[in-house]
Amino acid sequence: AQTVTQSQPEMSVQEAETVTLSCTYDTSESDYYLFWYKQPPSRQMILVIRQEAYKQQNATENRFSVNFQKAAKSFSLKISDSQLGDAAMYFCAYRSLSGAGSYQLTFGKGTKLSVIP
Amino acid sequence: DAGVTQSPTHLIKTRGQHVTLRCSPISGHKSVSWYQQVLGQGPQFIFQYYEKEERGRGNFPDRFSARQFPNYSSELNVNALLLGDSALYLCASSLVLGLTVVNEQFFGPGTRLTVL
Repeated sequence: AQTVTQSQPEMSVQEAETVTLSCTYDTSESDYYLFWYKQPPSRQMILVIRQEAYKQQNATENRFSVNFQKAAKSFSLKISDSQLGDAAMYFCAYRSLSGAGSYQLTFGKGTKLSVIP
Repeated sequence: DAGVTQSPTHLIKTRGQHVTLRCSPISGHKSVSWYQQVLGQGPQFIFQYYEKEERGRGNFPDRFSARQFPNYSSELNVNALLLGDSALYLCASSLVLGLTVVNEQFFGPGTRLTVL
């Protein structure tokens, strides 16, 4: 079974600064997807960024980028130019590439990010 | 385009009661998954339904059941409620090709269940 670990329960960042959230995972599969989801107080789970394990290039979405280290099974999220609206719980998640495992997201426990004005 | 919708938003029940939660997927999505998110934790997978059949089940007791209707909406049922069932219940929909989810799961706003 796959596991996802987020070792930082809480993080804080000054507005306009950069912050990195950590995630490690364990799997015996060679192909899979990794995700970062954001959950603000409104509870809606929103996809931030997605990384396919077979792609060596790190995914980027505007101010959000990842550092994907497949051999180390590490998948960190970097938020640049932090904004007040970035304050939320951030969850790292794993999904198998195909078959029955593709139906299930495995989440970490989350990191609560606070943005200081 | 309407996103994933869930009803009700909040629900309060007492121990031993039964509850039904509802979910409507994004138009065109035939796969629905259910997750339980206890306060302070990440979501945990409960069920996945595709074409009205259960395709995956997490480590939850038989008190939890679900079904999917011809219009691809879904219901999650929980019998004999326990205090520990208090949680946010999330529904997610996705596209499936063959038997493989082909894109990310899109989540609804959730139903907050409180068991007293």
